[in-house]
Amino acid sequence: DTAVSQTPKYLVTQMGNDKSIKCEQNLGHDTMYWYKQDSKKFLKIMFSYNNKELIINETVPNRFSPKSPDKAHLNLHINSLELGDSAVYFCASTGTSGTGDEQFFGPGTRLTVL
Amino acid sequence: GQSLEQPSEVTAVEGAIVQINCTYQTSGFYGLSWYQQHDGGAPTFLSYNALDGLEETGRFSSFLSRSDSYGYLLLQELQMKDSASYFCALHGSGNTGKLIFGQGTTLQVKP
Repeated sequence: DTAVSQTPKYLVTQMGNDKSIKCEQNLGHDTMYWYKQDSKKFLKIMFSYNNKELIINETVPNRFSPKSPDKAHLNLHINSLELGDSAVYFCASTGTSGTGDEQFFGPGTRLTVL
Repeated sequence: GQSLEQPSEVTAVEGAIVQINCTYQTSGFYGLSWYQQHDGGAPTFLSYNALDGLEETGRFSSFLSRSDSYGYLLLQELQMKDSASYFCALHGSGNTGKLIFGQGTTLQVKP
């Protein structure tokens, strides 16, 4: 009964390919996030959805497109992968946006672009 | 914009007390959180300060001073398992739950 799950855990692919990462939470939360953690461990918000509505869209290349089919799922599709996209991508969820409620993170997807 | 600064590394011995500082610049925020991340793992929530003062949760305490734009995480009775990275994070204003993370502090606990 994992709270926030992501698939796949590891993703190795060639430059120029298109890939997707899936995230699901079974906590009943309304808000979900995508974060990118680079090789220096810097963790940066990319997107957020609240009840399937996009509420945060940081300065991210438009090759990255999030999709939320329902409030329990938030997927990330990446087109034309580049070397600089190599990172660990974390999905997270929270019950109440705008407050101090903790964010629950998934296990991460380590993306390596060759 | 918003930014946070933390020391990059801290080393301490088992059983000791260590304080990890976090200074920030922001025009407005809801509060300051702390997250722990072990190597290869996911960030996990430790504590949150919405108001000035000290919040205590077991061996961990967190402090916030809005007037000084400063906070810290205090870890007591250090254990080997506390070796991890610790991130402070600002909860941005606006009803989005947006977290702005510091660059993280790697804590190494030695026997």
